[in-house]
Amino acid sequence: GIQVEQSPPDLILQEGANSTLRCNFSDSVNNLQWFHQNPWGQLINLFYIPSGTKQNGRLSATTVATERYSLLYISSSQTTDSGVYFCAVDTTGANNLFFGTGTRLTVIP
Amino acid sequence: DTAVSQTPKYLVTQMGNDKSIKCEQNLGHDTMYWYKQDSKKFLKIMFSYNNKELIINETVPNRFSPKSPDKAHLNLHINSLELGDSAVYFCASSLGIEKLFFGSGTQLSVL
Repeated sequence: GIQVEQSPPDLILQEGANSTLRCNFSDSVNNLQWFHQNPWGQLINLFYIPSGTKQNGRLSATTVATERYSLLYISSSQTTDSGVYFCAVDTTGANNLFFGTGTRLTVIP
Repeated sequence: DTAVSQTPKYLVTQMGNDKSIKCEQNLGHDTMYWYKQDSKKFLKIMFSYNNKELIINETVPNRFSPKSPDKAHLNLHINSLELGDSAVYFCASSLGIEKLFFGSGTQLSVL
């Protein structure tokens, strides 16, 4: 089956810093999504981005499908950005998303 | 509010019992899912329903049975609960293969 690797596994930032989270996948995908799980366990969809670049406020994401990776950029980080960021991909066309193991981000004031 | 809502939020029960988790979405989506998140935070799909039809059925014990009475509801019934079933169960929905929206999760603890 497909392998999804996220790096780094853990990241600690000072408030206001920028960061880049990476997601590598081992096979061609037709769907890629980024999620944020906050410290209370809520999963929020950040981006649906099978290819190209999207921006939403301080967050942006780029997927280079031909090279099998996606990047999530967080600028001017805030303490509310803390939590686990998951990348999830699908190869079936049925939105059968396979999740990576996540990057745990801690933003300290 | 438009959302995916699931109940109960917490479920504590004894081994061997049968329990159900309910899920409803009012987003007008045509596909609903159940995911399981284990103690290491790994998320894995269990089931997917599209317009009340089972699409995905991953390797899940027969003790788990999803029921979709209509497009807006997907319930999960679990028979003969085991210690290893303890986890957080998330319901989710989407319009086709687009963005997945999750409910707030049900923390199941089997004693």
